Formats: sequence, structure tokens, C-alpha cells
Amino acid sequence: ILNVEQSPQSLHVQEGDSTNFTCSFPSSNFYALHWYRWETAKSPEALFVMTLNGDEKKKGRISATLNTKEGYSYLYIKGSQPEDSATYLCALPPNDYKLSFGAGTTVTVRA
Amino acid sequence: DSGVTQTPKHLITATGQRVTLRCSPRSGDLSVYWYQQSLDQGLQFLIHYYNGEERAKGNILERFSAQQFPDLHSELNLSSLELGDSALYFCASSAQGTSIVHEQFFGPGTRLTVL
Repeated sequence: ILNVEQSPQSLHVQEGDSTNFTCSFPSSNFYALHWYRWETAKSPEALFVMTLNGDEKKKGRISATLNTKEGYSYLYIKGSQPEDSATYLCALPPNDYKLSFGAGTTVTVRA
Repeated sequence: DSGVTQTPKHLITATGQRVTLRCSPRSGDLSVYWYQQSLDQGLQFLIHYYNGEERAKGNILERFSAQQFPDLHSELNLSSLELGDSALYFCASSAQGTSIVHEQFFGPGTRLTVL
């Protein structure tokens, strides 16, 4: 089991504001980091898979960075919209064949 | 729609009973993963099958078992059910047998309620 920590547990953002939150993990034996978005009453949906130190990925208004040396990844949402309200999960594979998920950061965007 | 299907969507049963949850992966995906999400718990990995063979086990109880069939669909069997087994069970699939760089596609989940 890999210890994956996400902070904060939840946050509220005003529509139009930008926000970011963190996924922390042990920096040793890093293989990859996954970000998933999980909307209420739906199933988790992959956002990014990141493998290299310094990686930056972007999908629309959502972007992520990765620092494997210090063991963290940031997810950024620019100009938050109500449809960005979801729980954002990060996950890391402790080995080839499974993922350990963090508890998630729940984002609520207020109109 | 991820292309992963799970049945049934909801299941209500009594303690001590046995149930079977079914998952069909995306077309062409060889890997199937099962996860459990209980109240106030994150997604807990249960088991991974690749092309019919078990690849990894998580904290799966001995009362639970799974298999992947030649047509690649998978079943998760839960027996001697307890109240604490009430949870949302997800199946996910990916193209390859490794979790490192391949994103997983999640099904809609099966909500199990044990009364």
C-alpha cells in the first residue's frame, strides 16, 4: 500500500476564480501519477497520467505539475466553472499492477 | 460513457447471502480492476485480472473472489455478506496489464446494500 495524501480535503471556490490543490506521495520508487475527476453520481474519469519529473499536463482549464524529487503534484483549475465541481483523485501505482488512490479533494464551485 | 458496463446497478440483499457483480470491459481491453468504495473511505483496490489471469490483489477479504472469463468479462463474488460490505463497487478496465502509464476507464458501479 502506498501512502497517497491529498490536501485540502475540500474547498469552495467562487465561479471565475482559480484554485489549486496537492497530492503528496513518497518520492522513492516513483513510477507514475494519475489524476481522476469524479463527479457526483458518475464514475471516476481519467484526467492525466504523469511519469516524468517536471511534467506538466493540460486539458482545457485544468493543468497539473509533477515534482517527483520532493513527492508532490499540483492540480490547477483556472477560471473555475460550476461544472468543475467534483472530487479530484490522485493515484499512484506501488507496483505494475494496481493503483493506490488518495482520499480526494472535493471542489465546490459557487455561482 | 466509458465503455465499461456493470450489472446490476443496485443490489439489496440480506446478511449471510451471496451475490455476483458483473463487469464487461471496454472493447479490446484485457485488464479488469475491481474497487470498493465504502462510506467515508476512498477507493480501495480489490483485485486485478489481465487476460484471464490474476495479476494483483489488494485488501480483498477471503469471502470475496473474482474471475475473468475467456470473453474478458469479469465477475466479483461476495459471500457470507455482512453489513459492512455495503458499498459502491467499481470495475475499471485498461488496455494493458500494467498500471503505470495506462489510464483506467471506470464503469458506473454497483451499489450494494446489505440489510
